[in-house]
Amino acid sequence: DIQMTQSPSSLSASVGDSVTITCRASQNILNYLNWYQQKPGKAPELLIYAASTLQSGVPSRFSGSGSGTDFTLTIRGLQPGDFATYYCQQSYSTPRTFGPGTKVDI
Amino acid sequence: QVQLQESGPGLVKPSQTLSLTCIVSGASISNNMFYWTWIRQPAGKEPEWIGRASASGSANYNPSLKSRVTISLDTSNNQFSLELTSVTAADTAVYYCVRDYGDYRWYFDLWGRGTLVTVSS
Repeated sequence: DIQMTQSPSSLSASVGDSVTITCRASQNILNYLNWYQQKPGKAPELLIYAASTLQSGVPSRFSGSGSGTDFTLTIRGLQPGDFATYYCQQSYSTPRTFGPGTKVDI
Repeated sequence: QVQLQESGPGLVKPSQTLSLTCIVSGASISNNMFYWTWIRQPAGKEPEWIGRASASGSANYNPSLKSRVTISLDTSNNQFSLELTSVTAADTAVYYCVRDYGDYRWYFDLWGRGTLVTVSS
């Protein structure tokens, strides 16, 4: 299985801040990397796929980059609705695996 | 608008079989661009991929669960199901049915709201 790690595990920020979350894969996954946002009691929602492609309807303040084993999710100008947990997920091979998550709170 | 809705018992006894169904509306599960997927999430943990199946007959399962899992499609009723046998408390989680979409990369673009399944006597 491909192991996914994320850092930091949590971070505190304020409205208007920019934050960056890092995701690392245990092997080369090219750009088969997706990012999801999850709010308490809700299902995860797709933000970015193929490492850098914004899902339809997702605000442009979200951006993703990276390839191979190292990836980043950046949120510029945090909004109140962005305080959530973010997961990376690889789609290079099965079983699909998720990172442990990064909680962004105030 | 495509929607996925899970249904099934919220409480299952240890050693019994967990059975869930996902009703899909607004899209055909017969479309081979999609895999129909089950993902679960124990409280406070990251999601865990259980497996997927497509109308072409292809299926993949998580090796950690493979001996206990079956995912099947009912194209006539546009729904798919999950069976997990010999459950234990470790199978307690929120279970999501999910669409895995593949154009040139695969990603989980649509999720059901999730259903909590508790394994307890």
